[in-house]
Amino acid sequence: EVQLVESGGGLVQPGGSLRLSCAASGFSFNTYWMTWARQAPGKGLEWVANIKQDGSEKYYVDSVKGRFTISRDNAKNSLFLQMNSLRAEDTAVYYCARVDPLQYFDWFGSSYYFYALDVWGQGTTVTVSS
Amino acid sequence: ATQMTQSPSSLSASVGDRVTITCRASQDIGSDLGWYQQKPGKAPQLLIYAASHLHGGVPSRFSGSGSGTDFTLTISSLQPEDFATYYCLHDYDYPRTFGQGTKVEIK
Repeated sequence: EVQLVESGGGLVQPGGSLRLSCAASGFSFNTYWMTWARQAPGKGLEWVANIKQDGSEKYYVDSVKGRFTISRDNAKNSLFLQMNSLRAEDTAVYYCARVDPLQYFDWFGSSYYFYALDVWGQGTTVTVSS
Repeated sequence: ATQMTQSPSSLSASVGDRVTITCRASQDIGSDLGWYQQKPGKAPQLLIYAASHLHGGVPSRFSGSGSGTDFTLTISSLQPEDFATYYCLHDYDYPRTFGQGTKVEIK
């Protein structure tokens, strides 16, 4: 069974740090880009970061740049999010998700790929409060 | 950076109704748009990819259309299990951005 399981959430004071983990199973983890997304209480979804299969490319939403670091350990089928200098507005459920390149064809038979978030974990809650 | 504007933010509908949700991109994103469904306390699930392609296992009452800047998710006949919040998400450039979400409630 393809599965993602997040862990590492909890209560942390403003300015503190936390490291989230995402354990992958049931698929070849090292062949997929991976994503972190979050959802503040009662709010919508927010994309946070992406990482390439070998870790050589990383992208972040502006609000976390310089504070959060996405990384992975392909030998351990694990994804991480190191969160430093945490703020109250970082309070959210954090999800990891697999980025699956779904192939499709246009009317002329040309092939393309769409990078969909096709498998999600159950989420881990981070609360930043004094 | 591409921004997504989704509407309406919420709607009330009855079982059997046809429901339409729209997303507008701040620039031409071709077909680089997906639609996700989220139920309370659960992770999102992929419904539609590349604007109009139905993901495996998703009921055929769901459909997507559009390209460029304007996109639509349609539920042809709303079922009880479809009451949820729906989000669009582009994968055209970084940062990725979700729409604000549309909560579909029971009338």
